[in-house]
Order: sequence, then structure tokens, then C-alpha cells
Amino acid sequence: DTAVSQTPKYLVTQMGNDKSIKCEQNLGHDTMYWYKQDSKKFLKIMFSYNNKELIINETVPNRFSPKSPDKAHLNLHINSLELGDSAVYFCASSQDLRRSYTEAFFGQGTRLTVV
Amino acid sequence: QQPVQSPQAVILREGEDAVINCSSSKALYSVHWYRQKHGEAPVFLMILLKGGEQKGHEKISASFNEKKQQSSLYLTASQLSYSGTYFCGTPFSGGYNKLIFGAGTRLAVHP
Repeated sequence: DTAVSQTPKYLVTQMGNDKSIKCEQNLGHDTMYWYKQDSKKFLKIMFSYNNKELIINETVPNRFSPKSPDKAHLNLHINSLELGDSAVYFCASSQDLRRSYTEAFFGQGTRLTVV
Repeated sequence: QQPVQSPQAVILREGEDAVINCSSSKALYSVHWYRQKHGEAPVFLMILLKGGEQKGHEKISASFNEKKQQSSLYLTASQLSYSGTYFCGTPFSGGYNKLIFGAGTRLAVHP
């Protein structure tokens, strides 16, 4: 069973379109994250959700809107896609890092290409 | 806020050793290490905690100097499978529940 799964794995779309990436975890974790990895491999945190509530938004443009219908799911919707949005987006989950020494588990990534 | 990793890249022959360093300008409570192979997701290697406790990998060792706010990952007798990008991460930066990663160290092990 996949612990953190995200779909789709690849996404190619034109500038200006709106797209969504879905993420689900079956680990019973309280916290889920979205990370963006650019072409230089830098892993940058975008959002952090704890029990369906947004706790961190790392100065991400408003075109990015995360939604967490329950604590096992965290989706990412992107409006008006731009060329600079091209990257690999990783979903991850963990227990609350402040309360337990536990690792983060990552999904397999979604490679978004905006043309 | 982002931890600083060094070196940026390492090239090894099988069997050689390498050390990857991670330092922070802020107090560290713990340090995470992850490895990412090309085209794959980052995978957990180790957590190092204040007081010397560790949780993680059998064949990879690491140290954590709380006073110096540094951690080092020791890869000994490297294998081809060690190739990838290594990231250190600092959790709950600023009291928030988030894992902030360094820029990564690319390791290539050749036969």
C-alpha cells in the first residue's frame, strides 16, 4: 500500500490554464505539506496543514490554493498557470514535528510542465 | 532560516568515504537527513536529536553538534546505490510545524 500518493504523476498544460493535483495519505498523520522542487533541486515548502487547517503559507502567490477536505487529503489547485510554475510538486505528511520525533513521508511527485 | 549544506557536490569511487555537512544559524532541536534518487521522492534516512539520540539507517552514520548548530552525515565504503541528492532538514523552524531543507548535496558514486 502506498503511504502518500499523489496524482497525476505528469501534467503538461498551457499557460493560463487551471489545474489540480491531488494527494492522499493513509498513515494517519496529522500534518500534510506541499513542496515545490525547481530545476536546481531546491525543495521549498509551500503550505503546511494540520488537521485540515492551514498553518503555514510560505508567501506563495494567490494563484495557488490548497484545500484539505479531511486530514488524509490535501489537494493543490493552481489558477492561471505561468511558465515559472513548471517544477516537481511533492506532497508529504508527518506527525506533528513539534510533538514527536518522526520523519516526513513524500509522495512520488507531480512533474508539472507549463508550455 | 534555511540550513546550509556543504559541499554542493561530491564524486566518489565505490568504496570511498564522504562527509556531508549541514549548519544552521538558528538553534537546532533536531536534524533530519533525506536522500533523493533521480526522478524519485526524497526518502528518510535519519533523525538526530538533542542529547545524542538517533533514529534511522543501519549503514549510514551521522553526528549532531547542538552547540555549533551543525550536523554531519558520514557515508563510508560507499556503494553505487548511495548516489543521489542528500538533504538535511530542520523541523519546526520558528516554532512552526514545518521541515525546511538545505539546498542539497549531489553525490555520484562510480564503479
